[in-house]
Amino acid sequence: KAGVTQTPRYLIKTRGQQVTLSCSPISGHRSVSWYQQTPGQGLQFLFEYFSETQRNKGNFPGRFSGRQFSNSRSEMNVSTLELGDSALYLCASSSGTGGGETQYFGPGTRLLVL
Amino acid sequence: GDSVTQMEGPVTLSEEAFLTINCTYTATGYPSLFWYVQYPGEGLQLLLKATKADDKGSNKGFEATYRKETTSFHLEKGSVQVSDSAVYFCALSAFGGATNKLIFGTGTLLAVQP
Repeated sequence: KAGVTQTPRYLIKTRGQQVTLSCSPISGHRSVSWYQQTPGQGLQFLFEYFSETQRNKGNFPGRFSGRQFSNSRSEMNVSTLELGDSALYLCASSSGTGGGETQYFGPGTRLLVL
Repeated sequence: GDSVTQMEGPVTLSEEAFLTINCTYTATGYPSLFWYVQYPGEGLQLLLKATKADDKGSNKGFEATYRKETTSFHLEKGSVQVSDSAVYFCALSAFGGATNKLIFGTGTLLAVQP
């Protein structure tokens, strides 16, 4: 089975711009979660989508949003980029039953905001 | 709220040495516990997991036992190799509900020298 794929792998943007990141889950998985990884804050949960609905959300400002399509692919969008948004953004997929199931991570998208 | 505390690194060991990385957690109920590993430039890979008290997760020579009485999930390996050099993350998934939200520790960098 193909693993979780994320595009693009690297991205450079300037402050004030917006960005869209894409995640394709493992075939058959219906849950996609997004995480932000920074040296200062570590790994932080952004949100989770299941069957095109946001099931859970972390403590991030409204500039961070996401969506999921009927084929379970997910996108996240960050508007009005700030320097502090520079990070590795990871997505993870799972079957969606929750409660301790294994999540499989993609390689991440590294975003640099100048 | 739920949280994970991990020993700070870096941990530097010689090849074939014994490894312990401490992890303790705070959570209500019975969370599921995980160890993930991140190699340079890559996403997270599940190393092992345990979903109930006294369960032992194991993989590739690594082991960790879910200790409810001490709220711990310490990672151990009897003989490390240079190829084990990576960052190790302890994480929990909250008990109950359908959410897949993972709460991570800060990560421990392991460097194994030949």
